[in-house]
Amino acid sequence: AQTVTQSQPEMSVQEAETVTLSCTYDTSESDYYLFWYKQPPSRQMILVIRQEAYKQQNATENRFSVNFQKAAKSFSLKISDSQLGDAAMYFCAYRTNAGKSTFGDGTTLTVKP
Amino acid sequence: NAGVTQTPKFQVLKTGQSMTLQCAQDMNHEYMSWYRQDPGMGLRLIHYSVGAGITDQGEVPNGYNVSRSTTEDFPLRLLSAAPSQTSVYFCASSRPGLGGEQFFGPGTRLTVL
Repeated sequence: AQTVTQSQPEMSVQEAETVTLSCTYDTSESDYYLFWYKQPPSRQMILVIRQEAYKQQNATENRFSVNFQKAAKSFSLKISDSQLGDAAMYFCAYRTNAGKSTFGDGTTLTVKP
Repeated sequence: NAGVTQTPKFQVLKTGQSMTLQCAQDMNHEYMSWYRQDPGMGLRLIHYSVGAGITDQGEVPNGYNVSRSTTEDFPLRLLSAAPSQTSVYFCASSRPGLGGEQFFGPGTRLTVL
């Protein structure tokens, strides 16, 4: 079974600074996708970024980028130029080819003005 | 497009009662999933479907039933509600394939007394 571990229950960052959220996963499969989702207090799940396991190039979406280390099974999220609107819970997720997803327990990000 | 809709938004049940949580999507997505989110935790997969007539169990299926008679609808049935099923329930849909972004409904907050 796949497992996803987010070792930082809470993180804080100063506005305009950079923060990195950690995620590790365990799988025996070679083909899969990894995702970061944001969940603000409204509870709505919002896709932040996704990474294909067979692509070595790290995904980037504006201020969000990932550091994907396939051999180490690590998938961290870097948020640059943090904004107050980035405050939320962030979930790392793993998805199999069969469409099954496994989520980590989340990291609550606080952004200080 | 309405995206993914869930009804009801809130529900209170007594132990032993049964009910159905409704989920519908208008994006013609083949994949649909049900998750539960307990306080301070990530999403855990209950059941999922890769197409009409096809369903499979996720991580925490006990006490829940699903069926998928149409592409659009994926109802979740609680057979005999228990306090341990108090949670927020999310439905999600996506297109097939590893990289298909999951679109989430707004969630149903269920309390079982």
